[in-house]
Amino acid sequence: AQKVTQAQTEISVVEKEDVTLDCVYETRDTTYYLFWYKQPPSGELVFLIRRNSFDEQNEISGRYSWNFQKSTSSFNFTITASQVVDSAVYFCALSEPTSGNTPLVFGKGTRLSVIA
Amino acid sequence: EPEVTQTPSHQVTQMGQEVILRCVPISNHLYFYWYRQILGQKVEFLVSFYNNEISEKSEIFDDQFSVERPDGSNFTLKIRSTKLEDSAMYFCASSEPSSGRQETQYFGPGTRLLVL
Repeated sequence: AQKVTQAQTEISVVEKEDVTLDCVYETRDTTYYLFWYKQPPSGELVFLIRRNSFDEQNEISGRYSWNFQKSTSSFNFTITASQVVDSAVYFCALSEPTSGNTPLVFGKGTRLSVIA
Repeated sequence: EPEVTQTPSHQVTQMGQEVILRCVPISNHLYFYWYRQILGQKVEFLVSFYNNEISEKSEIFDDQFSVERPDGSNFTLKIRSTKLEDSAMYFCASSEPSSGRQETQYFGPGTRLLVL
């Protein structure tokens, strides 16, 4: 069974600090996809990144970076030099596409508060 | 940039009433989904829809729920007789046609349903 664990329920940092949000997943499949979504206070879900299980290369997008480690089944998300606008709930999600698009299984989310 | 839209943004209804939540997926997408998020909890999959039929559904999606694509643009979720526990944020999502891999699901802004 698929499972996504985001052990950090809430994190609070001061602006300009770096912060890492942890995501650990469980799957029996060798082919799977991992996602991060951001949910700002306005409530929508904003797609951030998608990675497949065959691509362990870390990715950087501006102040955002992702560290995918199959050996530890983790897909962690780091925000460098955090800003108040980064305050949101961040969800990690997993899918195992057996034949095309399949439902996402979400973690419980990590609420990040960035204080000015 | 194309986006998923949902109406209404908020809906208040009395227990036992029927509600219809509407979504307009991104125009070239062929896979459609409904998810829900009870306040403060994680996002949960309800149902996926492809080629005018349900692809997958979760245990939450019981006989009180139905989905429909009444025309070429809208995708609806109907709850026949609402219960208090149906109060949640309902998200519609859509994704491109799959070529055997998991395509990214893009979410709408959500409809917040409150059942009194």
